[in-house]
Amino acid sequence: GEDVEQSLFLSVREGDSSVINCTYTDSSSTYLYWYKQEPGAGLQLLTYIFSNMDMKQDQRLTVLLNKKDKHLSLRIADTQTGDSAIYFCAERTGYALNFGKGTSLLVTP
Amino acid sequence: SQTIHQWPATLVQPVGSPLSLECTVEGTSNPNLYWYRQAAGRGLQLLFYSVGIGQISSEVPQNLSASRPQDRQFILSSKKLLLSDSGFYLCAWDSYNEQFFGPGTRLTVL
Repeated sequence: GEDVEQSLFLSVREGDSSVINCTYTDSSSTYLYWYKQEPGAGLQLLTYIFSNMDMKQDQRLTVLLNKKDKHLSLRIADTQTGDSAIYFCAERTGYALNFGKGTSLLVTP
Repeated sequence: SQTIHQWPATLVQPVGSPLSLECTVEGTSNPNLYWYRQAAGRGLQLLFYSVGIGQISSEVPQNLSASRPQDRQFILSSKKLLLSDSGFYLCAWDSYNEQFFGPGTRLTVL
């Protein structure tokens, strides 16, 4: 499938906001997703956005979508140490999801 | 509520041995089911998906196969494992626009 790109690492201090970015290349993507993976665990669906929306907010999470630039971001407000994990961006064009390689978020006290 | 189970949780197998990983979903009927593999590079690769009993679509040619003998059961198999089959295998199912993942099976081939 088309490539979904993410930066590999992000480090933030506890209490700050985290912004994780993602770019995708398939303009026919219908939905875009953010998943969280903690060590040794499966993927937890955090949130998703329909491709005709440009923003979605869910508690501490804000998703921004720039369809023209094919850019997706996840903002985590008031980042906590429990937010340390790998975050995956994914696009959906058919049945299955096409994932990026994940951004490892480290939250330091 | 819906839940998804995978077993075993971890598996260590010698090269050339067979493989059978199982995934079952509870609380839904006729789900789309998926097998993904997550290798050391962290990206997830779609292996197979199924939209119904006996219907399997393969995304990547390899020595793995999948079967769906029952509506909520999805099995990943191999007749002879390779070293490159090591990885974290994740089963998933769809609910409308959302895709939910199981806890995964960590496979190490020695």
